[in-house]
Amino acid sequence: GDSVTQMEGPVTLSEEAFLTINCTYTATGYPSLFWYVQYPGEGLQLLLKATKADDKGSNKGFEATYRKETTSFHLEKGSVQVSDSAVYFCALTYGGSQGNLIFGKGTKLSVKP
Amino acid sequence: DTGVSQNPRHKITKRGQNVTFRCDPISEHNRLYWYRQTLGQGPEFLTYFQNEAQLEKSRLLSDRFSAERPKGSFSTLEIQRTEQGDSAMYLCASPRPGASLHGGKETQYFGPGTRLLVL
Repeated sequence: GDSVTQMEGPVTLSEEAFLTINCTYTATGYPSLFWYVQYPGEGLQLLLKATKADDKGSNKGFEATYRKETTSFHLEKGSVQVSDSAVYFCALTYGGSQGNLIFGKGTKLSVKP
Repeated sequence: DTGVSQNPRHKITKRGQNVTFRCDPISEHNRLYWYRQTLGQGPEFLTYFQNEAQLEKSRLLSDRFSAERPKGSFSTLEIQRTEQGDSAMYLCASPRPGASLHGGKETQYFGPGTRLLVL
């Protein structure tokens, strides 16, 4: 079945460091891909998305490119801030009658000042 | 604020008791999803509704779980005879009006969740 695999956490970085969180997927079709973020004590928030191959999603300085050839959707940010400390989830969905999201296990990011 | 609300936000219950959670989705959208998130894991799909019809149920949804969506508006998730393994965050999600339902472009927005602790 379809699945999402994320790099194991936790990831600890210093402020202004470069961030990469790896995400790969296994899919039988052509899903849309998402990154959701969960800040401490808060609910899941959509961070960015891409709906087809080679699309780049971006938001708040974060970027991810839908790579069909490597079945990947890695999350990157050039300079992280303490306020980026959160758990990041990669997910896929087909929409329509198969609209449920399939999530990875999440990667916890801690950014130190 | 995503526009999806859930109540209660926290629930502590004793094993064997019944609990019910409520989700009020973004208005005017016909799809609503329930997920469960256990500690250290990503959310897992439980079930979804299109209007008042429950169209799919995950194998995670044992017969102790029941969900309803009367009149296609709010939804309730009931767990009967709770077990300690039911302790989790229960999340509700719905797309925003205008979000395409086709071609995988649908984007789900989540409520804050109900955290259940079964003692």
